[in-house]
Amino acid sequence: EDKVVQSPLSLVVHEGDTVTLNCSYEVTNFRSLLWYKQEKKAPTFLFMLTSSGIEKKSGRLSSILDKKELSSILNITATQTGDSAIYLCAVVNYGQNFVFGPGTRLSVLP
Amino acid sequence: NAGVTQTPKFRILKIGQSMTLQCTQDMNHNYMYWYRQDPGMGLKLIYYSVGAGITDKGEVPNGYNVSRSTTEDFPLRLELAAPSQTSVYFCASYSGGSNYGYTFGSGTRLTVV
Repeated sequence: EDKVVQSPLSLVVHEGDTVTLNCSYEVTNFRSLLWYKQEKKAPTFLFMLTSSGIEKKSGRLSSILDKKELSSILNITATQTGDSAIYLCAVVNYGQNFVFGPGTRLSVLP
Repeated sequence: NAGVTQTPKFRILKIGQSMTLQCTQDMNHNYMYWYRQDPGMGLKLIYYSVGAGITDKGEVPNGYNVSRSTTEDFPLRLELAAPSQTSVYFCASYSGGSNYGYTFGSGTRLTVV
């Protein structure tokens, strides 16, 4: 059965800290891995990763995929209170089915 | 440029009632999905569609039905509402070739009492 695991499930940090969120997967016919940020409403797209070892960056957020280890990390540097959210990892297979992880709940305290 | 539109945003149903959650996208995406998200859990796939006239079950289809008569619309029907269906429902679409993953609707918060 396809599975996506995220760790930690919950994390509390202070503004300015750097955090690393982990996502590992067991999926047949892997195509890509996606990261989303979910605040109050629907998840918003952050990154799509298809190739191993190539870092994607957007401001203070960056992510990289390791296909050998079947995992990905999402880094957030110099965290701000606005980064508080649930971060979802999802894996897509070639059947275009998405499998979501449980999410990491990040709380950034002032 | 509406993206994915879901209605209603909130609904309270009594046990045994029926309702349809509407989902419309204007991006000409072939792939559409219905997910539910329970508190503290990840999204679970209910049904999906790879194109007009084609639907298939996801991980948790029991108690739901869908149809896809057009590319734009993918309604989700609850026939006999049960308290276990209390959840937030998200509709999403995907082009299949885009570099931007899913586009999500804003969600429908459903409570069954």
